[in-house]
Parts: sequence; structure tokens; C-alpha cells
Amino acid sequence: AQSVTQPDIHITVSEGASLELRCNYSYGATPYLFWYVQSPGQGLQLLLKYFSGDTLVQGIKGFEAEFKRSQSSFNLRKPSVHWSDAAEYFCAVGALIQGAQKLVFGQGTRLTINP
Amino acid sequence: NAGVMQNPRHLVRRRGQEARLRCSPMKGHSHVYWYRQLPEEGLKFMVYLQKENIIDESGMPKERFSAEFPKEGPSILRIQQVVRGDSAAYFCASSPRDRLVAKNIQYFGAGTRLSVL
Repeated sequence: AQSVTQPDIHITVSEGASLELRCNYSYGATPYLFWYVQSPGQGLQLLLKYFSGDTLVQGIKGFEAEFKRSQSSFNLRKPSVHWSDAAEYFCAVGALIQGAQKLVFGQGTRLTINP
Repeated sequence: NAGVMQNPRHLVRRRGQEARLRCSPMKGHSHVYWYRQLPEEGLKFMVYLQKENIIDESGMPKERFSAEFPKEGPSILRIQQVVRGDSAAYFCASSPRDRLVAKNIQYFGAGTRLSVL
């Protein structure tokens, strides 16, 4: 069965510092991988996705993620965080069902930014 | 182009009452998904629907929960005889129907936060 693990429940970084959020997945086939961000009281916004091709993908708000098949990882990075990046981040793998995808989410990483 | 609309945003019910959560997908989207987020947890898949069809309900509790997506109108997630353990945020997502699965990206609504007293 598909699963996603986000080892860090809570991360705190200073504004302007670099960021890396970890994500490991388990999936039998080539995975479709996603990172979503959830601001307090809001829905989820797609940051970026990986389907195939270049293993380094660029997303919105200056985020990027790298797919490493050998490590079953899809870590999210940002060179310099802004206070507005404080939110909850979810990694997900898409499991195919009849022409669509059922998303399996990790438990999330809460990001706090120190001024 | 309006996004995925969910209402109500907040719903309070007493134990034993019924809860109805509504989701209007983005224009042009024919796939709807419901997810549940319990406190301090990630989202868990509940059900996937297309117009008038339930495609996958493997994440739905066997009792008291049902979902529909009629030909006209929004998708409805219905919870009968609610219990305190049903308190959660319920998110709806929609995606287009494209032969390329990679293009069927899910867009999420803001969620309905259900509180059971």
C-alpha cells in the first residue's frame, strides 16, 4: 500500500534562512508526487508536482523539490524563507484509480518562522 | 473562474444529528474527492465521485457516511447520527477529466470544519 512519511512534525527557522522539509514515500510504481501548503483555516494550495522527467522541479513561491528514486524521497527546499511561508506543508503521493488519482498524504510538517 | 466552493465553512451539530456538507467543483471539473483531516493529522482520502457515480469509497466509514454527486448541483457528504469522533475538517477537491492522468490535478476547497457537541 502507498504511504508517505514526513519525519519532522514541527520545524522552526529564522527568516532568510534556507529550508528543507523531508518526505519519504512508499509506492510500487513510478510515483506522482506533490507538495501542498495549508495556511491556518485555509484549504490546500499546490506548490509543485513531479510526474516524470527532470527530477528537480520548480514550484510557486520560490519552492523546489528533488525526486530521488534511490532514496524514495521528495524533499522540499527553499533558499531563503519569508515570514509568510509559515504554514503546514503536506507531501502526497498519487495512487491511480480509474483515470484519476487518490492522494495519500503525510502527516504534515508545521513550519514556524522566527523574525 | 471560481475555485472549489465548500459550505458551510463551520458546522456545529449535537450528537445524533445529521451533518450535510456541500461542495461545488471548479467549472469544467467532473471529478470530486472528499478528504477528512482529524486534529494534528494529515488528510485521509474518503471517496472519489464522478457525476452520478461513486468510483472509489474505500476510505468511507462503513456506517453513517454517504456521498453523492448528482447530475445537477453540488456534491454532498452526509453524516448521519454524528458522534464526537466525527469532529474534523472535511475537504473537497476537484479535478478535470483529461485522458492524461498527469493533468488531473486536484484543487482543494477551504474545507468545512465540523464540531460535534
